[in-house]
Amino acid sequence: NAGVMQNPRHLVRRRGQEARLRCSPMKGHSHVYWYRQLPEEGLKFMVYLQKENIIDESGMPKERFSAEFPKEGPSILRIQQVVRGDSAAYFCASSAGTGDSYEQYFGPGTRLTVT
Amino acid sequence: TQLLEQSPQFLSIQEGENLTVYCNSSSVFSSLQWYRQEPGEGPVLLVTVVTGGEVKKLKRLTFQFGDARKDSSLHITAAQPGDTGLYLCAGAQRWAGKSTFGDGTTLTVKP
Repeated sequence: NAGVMQNPRHLVRRRGQEARLRCSPMKGHSHVYWYRQLPEEGLKFMVYLQKENIIDESGMPKERFSAEFPKEGPSILRIQQVVRGDSAAYFCASSAGTGDSYEQYFGPGTRLTVT
Repeated sequence: TQLLEQSPQFLSIQEGENLTVYCNSSSVFSSLQWYRQEPGEGPVLLVTVVTGGEVKKLKRLTFQFGDARKDSSLHITAAQPGDTGLYLCAGAQRWAGKSTFGDGTTLTVKP
């Protein structure tokens, strides 16, 4: 998966707790994308960030979800007061964001289970 | 409205058969990527096509970008069980600054 790191790989939370998912992009990449995937379904875009900026959050629920990509450190997807419907695989991807290709390289994902 | 339509949604074939999956849109893309995702893993980039009419080959996989850069196809020759997975296409539009993904084609190749 071309060097994109995500942790943890598996996360179990009880309803009402907070979930924090981390993503370190591929070296040299300054664009980060978060996707959610339910079993047997495709990827659903959530948010697109560049360093210190949210570029497009059109796919992210208005409440309980937030994302950041600070100047230093990994990108964080934060889900507050989790509910069972938040159980899914969350994938992070990064790209160099240059030229016409916008090729994205994906991490292995974080599988969130809400009990 | 789904920007990228992939078909078929599901495909189950026997080892050795050929198959084609499609990725269609009414929008023009500056480039298009194909990914394969295996269960429990993240999608892996297979190819990027940029020029209208471009054809790229990756062993038994042949990728084509439509002349108008609105659609693409993936053809697999003599499919093997190792080809099983979810195939995703993603179109990039420069103005959007990001790619849009189709819902994918789930391929199962039976031995």
